[in-house]
Amino acid sequence: DTAVSQTPKYLVTQMGNDKSIKCEQNLGHDTMYWYKQDSKKFLKIMFSYNNKELIINETVPNRFSPKSPDKAHLNLHINSLELGDSAVYFCASSKAGPMNSPLHFGNGTRLTVT
Amino acid sequence: AQRVTQPEKLLSVFKGAPVELKCNYSYSGSPELFWYVQYSRQRLQLLLRHISRESIKGFTADLNKGETSFHLKKPFAQEEDSAMYYCALSEGNAGNMLTFGGGTRLMVKP
Repeated sequence: DTAVSQTPKYLVTQMGNDKSIKCEQNLGHDTMYWYKQDSKKFLKIMFSYNNKELIINETVPNRFSPKSPDKAHLNLHINSLELGDSAVYFCASSKAGPMNSPLHFGNGTRLTVT
Repeated sequence: AQRVTQPEKLLSVFKGAPVELKCNYSYSGSPELFWYVQYSRQRLQLLLRHISRESIKGFTADLNKGETSFHLKKPFAQEEDSAMYYCALSEGNAGNMLTFGGGTRLMVKP
């Protein structure tokens, strides 16, 4: 199946830990994104990569670091997790540059920090 | 598992014409439904949610549980409505992770 897949779907961890969320797309898209869903269902963009290059870097703590080993993958690494990091994180991809072509979303990762 | 379907990838209408963007879902529980919009070169933003029963920028959407639909409607389309529209669903209980449809591009011609 062609899709955007992110793992894990659920992640429960303790404060202070370091964790990663992985995202892969096999759609041949050039651009990938990480979004954070808040409790009111607003989606806030965090990062965007185009062909492994960082093109959008919103105001997020330095503890969040995206890594794109190739254009089909965009992983999100979070250091020193805090309670406030608990949220649902969505990976997405699009064919062309940011905000110009349809987004294909992954299924989301629910991160719970205890 | 829940699923959201937007059958039209592209919808083209003339300015002033009524517009309806279709969204169908499959979910066994009580869903919450949303519409998101992304205008050209802008961020994805929440347009409206069914529980609010609101009209935003002239758009309305009614949840029809019998037909499992949440179509987005506007009686008179404007050129500035041209954008990508995404329908999304979340579980009505503590799950609340969004599931997105594939999106519909609305083009409003002058």
